[in-house]
Amino acid sequence: DIQMTQSPSSLSASIGDRVTITCRASQGIGDALAWYQQKSGKAPKRLIYAASTLQSEVPSRFSGSGSGTEFTLTISSLQPEDFATYYCLQHYTFPWTFGQGTKVEIK
Amino acid sequence: EVQVLESGGGLVQPGGSLRLSCAASGFTFSGQSMNWVRQAPGKGLEWVSLITARGDTTYYRDSVKGRFTISRDNSKNTLFLQMNSLRAEDTAIYYCANGKDNPFYYWGQGTLVTVSS
Repeated sequence: DIQMTQSPSSLSASIGDRVTITCRASQGIGDALAWYQQKSGKAPKRLIYAASTLQSEVPSRFSGSGSGTEFTLTISSLQPEDFATYYCLQHYTFPWTFGQGTKVEIK
Repeated sequence: EVQVLESGGGLVQPGGSLRLSCAASGFTFSGQSMNWVRQAPGKGLEWVSLITARGDTTYYRDSVKGRFTISRDNSKNTLFLQMNSLRAEDTAIYYCANGKDNPFYYWGQGTLVTVSS
C-alpha cells in the first residue's frame, strides 16, 4: 500500500497567516492527489484535485502544488472559516489512502 | 441540486450484518464510479470500496475483503454496501462519495455504524 505521510498533524495559526501542509507519498503517484477540508460533524469538502487544480467555488487563497512524492497545500491568508482538519488523498493505486490529517486551530 | 443520502446504519453485534444504502440525485449516477469511505470516531478518513459505473468491477481494502460487498442499482440511482461478519473496528461513519479519476466531489452526510455487544 502507498503510505501518505502528512505533516504537521496539527498547527496553531492566526487570522491572516500563511499556512502550509505537506503530504509525502511512499512511492510516486504522479498528480493523483487531492486535498479535502473537513469541519466538525460534517462531510469532507474537496479543495484541490489533480494536485494543483482548484475546485470551482473554493477561494483562491487555497492552492496546491507538487507531483511524484511531495505535495503541498497552502492557504495564503488564513480566514476564520478555514479552521478545520485537512486531508490529502492518493488515488493512484488501490487501496486509495489518505494522510492522517492536519488540524488547523486558532492561535 | 445534487443530493446524496446514506441510510441503513445502526447498532449491530459483533459478527452481525448490515446493509447500507446511498440514494443519489442531481448528477449522472449511472455514469460515475461510486465509493464508500469511512471514519472511525475521532479518527481520519479511510477508503473502503469502489464500484465502477456499470458495476462490472469492484475494489476493496484488504480489511473488508470477503466480508463487505459493494453493489449498485443504476435504475434507482442507489449504491449499496452489504457488511457481514462485522467487527468492533468497523465502527465508523460511512460516507458515500463519487468518482474514480478525480474522486470524492459529491459526499453524503454519512450514516453511523456501531458494532458492539
